[in-house]
Amino acid sequence: KQEVTQIPAALSVPEGENLVLNCSFTDSAIYNLQWFRQDPGKGLTSLLLIQSSQREQTSGRLNASLDKSSGRSTLYIAASQPGDSATYLCAVTNNDMRFGAGTRLTVKP
Amino acid sequence: ETGVTQTPRHLVMGMTNKKSLKCEQHLGHNAMYWYKQSAKKPLELMFVYNFKEQTENNSVPSRFSPECPNSSHLFLHLHTLQPEDSALYLCASSPQGRQGNSEAFFGQGTRLTVV
Repeated sequence: KQEVTQIPAALSVPEGENLVLNCSFTDSAIYNLQWFRQDPGKGLTSLLLIQSSQREQTSGRLNASLDKSSGRSTLYIAASQPGDSATYLCAVTNNDMRFGAGTRLTVKP
Repeated sequence: ETGVTQTPRHLVMGMTNKKSLKCEQHLGHNAMYWYKQSAKKPLELMFVYNFKEQTENNSVPSRFSPECPNSSHLFLHLHTLQPEDSALYLCASSPQGRQGNSEAFFGQGTRLTVV
């Protein structure tokens, strides 16, 4: 059974810092990995999708990498802003989509 | 807006009530999903529908009954729920089943409270 772990569980940084969120998974036979953002009490917003054959994807200040063989992905956020405060979830897909518990990010002005 | 709409956004129901959650997408996707998100737990997959056919039931109790009348609509019928069923219920869709090499889109969720 696929297990997805996200570290750290919570992170607080001052505005302007660059930061890295980590996601690891136990079964490397995945189709894709997706990073989501979730604001309190709301649904999930897709940020980046990395296919199994890809190594990274970029969107604006966000960059996600994937190392399938080691079962790891990172989400890099450049020049963080208070509006980036949210919970960030990673999900991997093989037979179904499995989620990590998320990293709760707070960016302080 | 992600293109996936869930109603109602909030629902309070008693343990003897019967209610239904609705999910609608007009993205042309062929697969739809129900997830449960409880406090301090990862999202749990409940049901998967591909081309209106249920392809996965993740050991969900029978008090939750899904219905998919067409590729654009998904319902979750609720009856005789327990307080521990209180959670955020999220609907998602993707272009193809098993969410293969395709991106999943989520609705805003229904916050369910069972009293």
